[in-house]
Amino acid sequence: DAGITQSPRHKVTETGTPVTLRCHQTENHRYMYWYRQDPGHGLRLIHYSYGVKDTDKGEVSDGYSVSRSKTEDFLLTLESATSSQTSVYFCAISEEWGANQPQHFGDGTRLSIL
Amino acid sequence: AQKITQTQPGMFVQEKEAVTLDCTYDTSDPSYGLFWYKQPSSGEMIFLIYQGSYDQQNATEGRYSLNFQKARKSANLVISASQLGDSAMYFCAMREASNSGYALNFGKGTSLLVTP
Repeated sequence: DAGITQSPRHKVTETGTPVTLRCHQTENHRYMYWYRQDPGHGLRLIHYSYGVKDTDKGEVSDGYSVSRSKTEDFLLTLESATSSQTSVYFCAISEEWGANQPQHFGDGTRLSIL
Repeated sequence: AQKITQTQPGMFVQEKEAVTLDCTYDTSDPSYGLFWYKQPSSGEMIFLIYQGSYDQQNATEGRYSLNFQKARKSANLVISASQLGDSAMYFCAMREASNSGYALNFGKGTSLLVTP
């Protein structure tokens, strides 16, 4: 199994509070991704990173920011959480840049915003 | 427009039977990868099988095989000899250059229930 740890695994918080989710990998993969999973939508890309301090937006990036100060850690921050950000968040990693490599996923973080 | 289409929201199969989960895709990129993931009720996403757009043969991994029909733009997952533990959501996904960061573009999934 790919060494990917997401923390926390579950979180309940209130609207307007800041929230940070952490993804930690031990595989030394360069590429890391944050997705959210909502019923009826499959998984959608929020942000991705192609190296330390190198990040870019995905399909549903509004309301989210990311940071990557070390190869092994990729943080997702909700600056002011809203109820529409209630979701399951997955981190994924990939060894190579291209169409022919699978991404491997962490176990997910279930986030509820009340 | 939806890039990955999974038309079967739910499927039933009896234990030890084979089952085919459908996936069609849309791309104009000649280089792309097709992937299937399994998500059991515990929630994790498990990579099952990969097919490259230039691969001449269908991919196989144990009881999983991918029926790749490039002209039809379909990449169906075949599970042989179903087991109770195969009950899960199954997602088809594609990586291509036009996706931000070569991210995966997922279908909405098919829920498979294996019955005794």
